[in-house]
Amino acid sequence: DQQVKQNSPSLSVQEGRISILNCDYTNSMFDYFLWYKKYPAEGPTFLISISSIKDKNEDGRFTVFLNKSAKHLSLHIVPSQPGDSAVYFCAASGDTGNQFYFGTGTSLTVIP
Amino acid sequence: EPEVTQTPSHQVTQMGQEVILRCVPISNHLYFYWYRQILGQKVEFLVSFYNNEISEKSEIFDDQFSVERPDGSNFTLKIRSTKLEDSAMYFCASSRDTFGDTQYFGPGTRLTVL
Repeated sequence: DQQVKQNSPSLSVQEGRISILNCDYTNSMFDYFLWYKKYPAEGPTFLISISSIKDKNEDGRFTVFLNKSAKHLSLHIVPSQPGDSAVYFCAASGDTGNQFYFGTGTSLTVIP
Repeated sequence: EPEVTQTPSHQVTQMGQEVILRCVPISNHLYFYWYRQILGQKVEFLVSFYNNEISEKSEIFDDQFSVERPDGSNFTLKIRSTKLEDSAMYFCASSRDTFGDTQYFGPGTRLTVL
């Protein structure tokens, strides 16, 4: 039961350009979404969140968009930097409040 | 900046042995979690813990697993009799509140069962 899906396992972007990472979910009860960044041999690091009452949240170079009708969210990074190279996970919760469901991750490579 | 810590970073054990993974959550957080990630797969929820009891657990968290907060700072995950398929990265996380509060993750413990 893959309630959260990230269909692109990898993405390569030139430095300075926009990175767009996508995430789809199936459970309409989800109402809180997070993006985590993960470097090899480290735990996931919180990046940005959005709740269902909003359709956009911005924090510096990172913007998350939520389309509830499509059950889709995306993370935009602009401009992309080589240090952004990592695996990005989206996670969702809401039906229970405790448990976050993670996507399988997208490996972003920013090429200098 | 406060952070979640985990020990050991890597644990190697023989199948059938008991292991205890340790975590020190962020000090003013009240909710604690364990997740695992089998190599190449997604991060999976195991259990959440609040007020000295389990509040939610997944199907993975069977009778071989237990959690404990033995003192005011540590949060442990015990696997009673390890199996080969328990080999994974185990992440501890904590949050100040529940119902959507951000969970902060530790660096993980890599468990290898031989």
